[in-house]
Amino acid sequence: GQNIDQPTEMTATEGAIVQINCTYQTSGFNGLFWYQQHAGEAPTFLSYNVLDGLEEKGRFSSFLSRSKGYSYLLLKELQMKDSASYLCAVRDSNYQLIWGAGTKLIIKP
Amino acid sequence: IAGITQAPTSQILAAGRRMTLRCTQDMRHNAMYWYRQDLGLGLRLIHYSNTAGTTGKGEVPDGYSVSRANTDDFPLTLASAVPSQTSVYFCASSPTSGGVNEQFFGPGTRLTVL
Repeated sequence: GQNIDQPTEMTATEGAIVQINCTYQTSGFNGLFWYQQHAGEAPTFLSYNVLDGLEEKGRFSSFLSRSKGYSYLLLKELQMKDSASYLCAVRDSNYQLIWGAGTKLIIKP
Repeated sequence: IAGITQAPTSQILAAGRRMTLRCTQDMRHNAMYWYRQDLGLGLRLIHYSNTAGTTGKGEVPDGYSVSRANTDDFPLTLASAVPSQTSVYFCASSPTSGGVNEQFFGPGTRLTVL
């Protein structure tokens, strides 16, 4: 079966750095996406990885290791507005996204 | 409008009733998707359409149907609603189903079936 695992909840302090991990087992791999979802709102796109390595975009970076079935999202200089759920999704061999349940990130002052 | 709109925003429905959730995008995207999101579970794909005139079944299609008569609209119909269909429904679109193209999401419809 297909499976995406990520921690249910994490807590971090404003101004700090946090890493959210995602491991996956899917039928095929055609890219990995990270989305942000604030409570009561729609998911919004953060990053895309298809090759191994680090993709950096401002305060957010995403890393991929295809051989390990592993990705992480790194958030730097945390702000209160970063309190949200972070969703990991893998595009499988049918070009459909398989989604993890999301990691709720709580930022404390 | 710009982006994806969904209607209604929320709905309370009696079991057994028929319901159509509407989704319209103005980005001329070829691919469109319907997901449901339940607490503790990831987004689950109900149906998708890679281009106007074609549709496909996702992970959880039972009890739902879709049509794609044109590029902009992708309605989702519950023929006879059941309480297990209580969920938040998101419509999404992308330029195509592959490549770097991310999916853009509508604001969602919160549906309660009693």
